[in-house]
Amino acid sequence: DTEVTQTPKHLVMGMTNKKSLKCEQHMGHRAMYWYKQKAKKPPELMFVYSYEKLSINESVPSRFSPECPNSSLLNLHLHALQPEDSALYLCASSQDSAGGNSPLHFGNGTRLTVT
Amino acid sequence: GESVGLHLPTLSVQEGDNSIINCAYSNSASDYFIWYKQESGKGPQFIIDIRSNMDKRQGQRVTVLLNKTVKHLSLQIAATQPGDSAVYFCAENPTAGNKLTFGGGTRVLVKP
Repeated sequence: DTEVTQTPKHLVMGMTNKKSLKCEQHMGHRAMYWYKQKAKKPPELMFVYSYEKLSINESVPSRFSPECPNSSLLNLHLHALQPEDSALYLCASSQDSAGGNSPLHFGNGTRLTVT
Repeated sequence: GESVGLHLPTLSVQEGDNSIINCAYSNSASDYFIWYKQESGKGPQFIIDIRSNMDKRQGQRVTVLLNKTVKHLSLQIAATQPGDSAVYFCAENPTAGNKLTFGGGTRVLVKP
């Protein structure tokens, strides 16, 4: 079992819906991440939070809105998504946010389908 | 290896044999590298990492080799087992940043 917990495991939403993906870790990690993974492709970085502040946004469309309420929680708010946004959304955390030399620990993802 | 279209490069290996998975990375400024294993329906699982001041690191049944001259990374799995069947990704991180970037992935199929 992973130490990064993501909910829900599966989500189906319409293009006019608003939904949120949630991620939680209790390893004391100070960096948290959202990645998007399409089938048979590698994960692609979306956002990085470092000490609860957004440090990297990889030019992600505004219909994806991240939020970091505290050092253990990371949310991804979804609004007006497109069918091509259907993918596996992975959350990760790592201990060292500045030096970049610690491994990311991933959750098992939320499988999102936009209809 | 790099993925082409919808098909991942696949390595078929007999149970008990050794596996070697290769990865070419692109950023000469990368100084930290990780191998991940991803099973169906799960997130990437950390296997082993290596920093750029090393050229070899060993774990349990796994060895990572780094050749900075040609920007090449490899993962060797000894005595491959059915549970090793998965997609393997290399990932690189640039100096002083947390922007881990994944390579295309290689599927490993272990034949009994």
